[in-house]
Formats: sequence, C-alpha cells, structure tokens
Amino acid sequence: AQSVSQHNHHVILSEAASLELGCNYSYGGTVNLFWYVQYPGQHLQLLLKYFSGDPLVKGIKGFEAEFIKSKFSFNLRKPSVQWSDTAEYFCAVSTGRRALTFGSGTRLQVQP
Amino acid sequence: DAGVIQSPRHEVTEMGQEVTLRCKPISGHNSLFWYRQTMMRGLELLIYFNNNVPIDDSGMPEDRFSAKMPNASFSTLKIQPSEPRDSAVYFCASSLIGNTEAFFGQGTRLTVV
Repeated sequence: AQSVSQHNHHVILSEAASLELGCNYSYGGTVNLFWYVQYPGQHLQLLLKYFSGDPLVKGIKGFEAEFIKSKFSFNLRKPSVQWSDTAEYFCAVSTGRRALTFGSGTRLQVQP
Repeated sequence: DAGVIQSPRHEVTEMGQEVTLRCKPISGHNSLFWYRQTMMRGLELLIYFNNNVPIDDSGMPEDRFSAKMPNASFSTLKIQPSEPRDSAVYFCASSLIGNTEAFFGQGTRLTVV
C-alpha cells in the first residue's frame, strides 16, 4: 500500500527565508505526486504536481518541488517565503487508479 | 466552473441524530472522493467512487457511515447515529479517472454535541 511521510510538522520562518518541506513516499511502482496547500479555514488547493518528465516541477506562487526517485522523495521548496504563505501543506501520492493518499501535513507559520 | 459544491458548510447536531452531507462534483469528472480531516488523524480517505461505483470503502470507520452516488452529479455521506467523535471537517473531491488532480470542495464542518 502507498503511504506518505512528512517529517516537519510545524515550521516557523521569517519572511524572505528559504523553505524546504520534506516528503517521502513508499511505493515501488510508478507514482504521481502532488503538493496541496490549505490556507486557514479554506479547502485544499493544488500547488503543483508531478506525473512524468522533468523531475523539477514548478507550481504556483513561486513554489517548486523536485522528484528524486532514488530517495522516494518529493520535497517542496520556495526561495523566499512571504507572510501570505502561512498555511498547511500536504504532500500526496497516487498510484494506478487509486485515490490520493495524503501525508500528515506541515503547518508553516511565516512571521513578518 | 462552480467547482465541487458541498452542503451544508456547517452542521451542528446532537449525538444520535442522523447526518447527511452532500456533494456535487465538477461536471465531467468521473471520480469522487470523501475525505475526513481532524487534528488527530489528518486527512483520511473514507471512500471513493469511479463512474458512480464505490471502489474502496476501507476507510469508512464503521457501519454507522454510508455513502452513495446515485448519479454522476451527486453523492451523499450519511452518519447514523452520529457520535461526538465524528466531529471533523468532511471534504468531497472530484477528478477524472487516472491519476489527475483532485479538486476539493469547501468542506462541511460537522460538530456532534
């Protein structure tokens, strides 16, 4: 069965700091990978996704993620965070025709 | 496109009562998912449908929970009888079959007192 691990549960950064959130998955076959963001009180929105091709994926709002197959990782990065990036971030994986499996989420707090 | 529409947005009910949550997926999408979000357990998949057929309901907590999808544009999640531990935000999402992006509704915040 597929599973997703997010090791950073709560991250606090100052504005303009760089961000990297870890995501590891367990599944031996072909996977599709996603990062979703949930702003306070809102629903989940897609930040970026990886299906195939270039392992460096660029998403909205300056976010990017790199798929490293050998490490089963799909870490999310942003070179300079803003206060408005305060939210919870979820990594997710899907395989075959199965539904998305989500990680436990990382709560990001950006201090002005 | 109106996106995935869920109703109600908020529901407060007494323990033992029946609760029905509703979802209208995005037109043309043929996969529908029900997720539950709590502080303790995060986002859990409850059940999903492909072409209106339940594919995996292993995440449904117990027999008190049931879900139906009578047609391509409507699904319900029912809890009977409800218990305080069912309090959570319930999200519905839809997508096209085959590993594409899932679009989420605004969620239903359920409080069972």
